[in-house]
Order: sequence, then C-alpha cells, then structure tokens
Amino acid sequence: DTGVSQNPRHKITKRGQNVTFRCDPISEHNRLYWYRQTLGQGPEFLTYFQNEAQLEKSRLLSDRFSAERPKGSFSTLEIQRTEQGDSAMYLCASRGHVRSGANVLTFGAGSRLTVL
Amino acid sequence: GNSVTQMEGPVTLSEEAFLTINCTYTATGYPSLFWYVQYPGEGLQLLLKATKADDKGSNKGFEATYRKETTSFHLEKGSVQVSDSAVYFCALSEQGAQKLVFGQGTRLTINP
Repeated sequence: DTGVSQNPRHKITKRGQNVTFRCDPISEHNRLYWYRQTLGQGPEFLTYFQNEAQLEKSRLLSDRFSAERPKGSFSTLEIQRTEQGDSAMYLCASRGHVRSGANVLTFGAGSRLTVL
Repeated sequence: GNSVTQMEGPVTLSEEAFLTINCTYTATGYPSLFWYVQYPGEGLQLLLKATKADDKGSNKGFEATYRKETTSFHLEKGSVQVSDSAVYFCALSEQGAQKLVFGQGTRLTINP
C-alpha cells in the first residue's frame, strides 16, 4: 500500500493554458474524490467517482473542469483555459467499501496549481 | 446547508500545555464527525472520528466528544508536543452522503 499518489506536485502555468492532474488511489479503493483547497481554507468537495462512474459533481466544478476515471483506477482532473482564481491545491482522496468505515478518506499530498 | 465552524487560528502554545480547538457544526441530520490533521508537505490524515451522539473519538492523546445538544466536536489534548504542530481540520459527513464538509482549519504551533 503506497498511499494516494498525485502528480505533478506543483504546476505553474500562464492564464489561459490547460493543465491536467493525475491521481493514483490506493489500489483496492473503489471510491475516488477530488477536493480543492485555497489558502487558509478547508478543502471543498469537487467530485466523486465510484469505480469509473462519476456520481456527484459540485457546483464549484465549472464547465472548464473535467474529471475522468476511465478504468476505475487512476483519475485525471483537467482544467481548461485556466484563470488566476483556479490557483489552489487540488487534493485527491480514496476510500474502500462502505463497510470498511464511515467515510474515512485517505488523502494524497495534493497538486498545487499556480496560475500567473 | 451543512457547515463546520472552527476556532480561528493561528494558535501558539508552549510544550506540555493543554490544547482545545473548538468546532461547531450545522447539519440537517445525524452526521459523522471527524478531525483531520495536515502536517507540512503531507496529505490530510484522519486523526479521530465519532459517528453518533456522545461517542468519544481518541487517538495519539487527542480526544473529541460528539455533543449533539451543543452541536460541537471540540478537540482536546492534555499535554501537547512540538510534533503536534500542524493544521487541524474539523469535518462532517451526513448519513448516506459521500462528501466531507470541512471547517477552515486551525494552524497550531507548539514551541519548545
């Protein structure tokens, strides 16, 4: 068990560019979550997958954001036409089956996005 | 909607001091409550949890009791160490819901 892995750890981009983040969850975990954390704030829920199905999306996830989990394993979060307001830490978390515990998520270290 | 309010930081204490970080919540049902901790450069880690009223979660000397009557889940530790320096997040999850709702976090610094 190597934990939840996120790449890249830090991305600096110019406004208007597209960026993609990758998350590799714990291998036996079927649920995967994306959160966004801005400076001085707690994480905010973005979206949730069960296996390859995206089952819930927050209103924070504008049409410039898209997340996929094509084979039910790793996931990608793409932000198109980045804006300075997208600068944040993007956190990925995973969880096993419900019987394994009440919403106990394992988080990755995050991918920090800086939009210039 | 559901929300979590935490004591504003930063909090600075001396080693061996008593710690309390306040957390109150608003929820429509009977949520599960959590404290997560974020050490510098690391991901959030679950510190402790409680799933029903009057439950006490505990771990690494930290404790928090689920108080339904005051909608609170305050974090306490009797004697803090320098290694406890981190950001602490209170969070809730409604029954049957997938997402966690987090407070804004409280940065704790312990001086030797």
